[in-house]
Amino acid sequence: DAGVIQSPRHEVTEMGQEVTLRCKPISGHNSLFWYRQTMMRGLELLIYFNNNVPIDDSGMPEDRFSAKMPNASFSTLKIQPSEPRDSAVYFCASSSGQGNTIYFGEGSWLTVV
Amino acid sequence: GEDVEQSLFLSVREGDSSVINCTYTDSSSTYLYWYKQEPGAGLQLLTYIFSNMDMKQDQRLTVLLNKKDKHLSLRIADTQTGDSAIYFCAETNSNSGYALNFGKGTSLLVTP
Repeated sequence: DAGVIQSPRHEVTEMGQEVTLRCKPISGHNSLFWYRQTMMRGLELLIYFNNNVPIDDSGMPEDRFSAKMPNASFSTLKIQPSEPRDSAVYFCASSSGQGNTIYFGEGSWLTVV
Repeated sequence: GEDVEQSLFLSVREGDSSVINCTYTDSSSTYLYWYKQEPGAGLQLLTYIFSNMDMKQDQRLTVLLNKKDKHLSLRIADTQTGDSAIYFCAETNSNSGYALNFGKGTSLLVTP
């Protein structure tokens, strides 16, 4: 199995630019999670989907952040406009259902200058 | 949300045992996990324990759960330099849709 695949692995962008992070969950998994990791706040859940439907987006920091899951094999996390404080590692994870093990991708390392 | 607390740093000598501790506050926690993160990498699932168990052993790893005290520990026997990483404790429960609630992580440094 290829695991959870994220792209890009690294991105450096200027403040104000739009950033789109992409995720392909493990085939057959129907739960997908987006996490953000920073030194100050650790790992924070941003949003999760079950069967492509957003269930809890209370962790999304503000309206500049949006996430979509148009089908079972693809999700995006978009930041528009980006700010330096958005610099972090963004992880996507998936599982085969509620209560089952959650597997993480390698992360997208975002730097906003 | 509910809290998951870990000590931030642990240093051990190669060959010794490491014990990483974690406490949590949510009494409805269903599963408790240990993840490992090496520099520049994602989170690797090490092991997990269901809340109705008190111990789980997997090769060099032993997980102990004291549900009454809401205390979880990870023991690594014969610690190697390759075990140096950040170890995250996490809990899930039905109230949060089984999303993982993480501690801040414990940095384990193994010295020769």
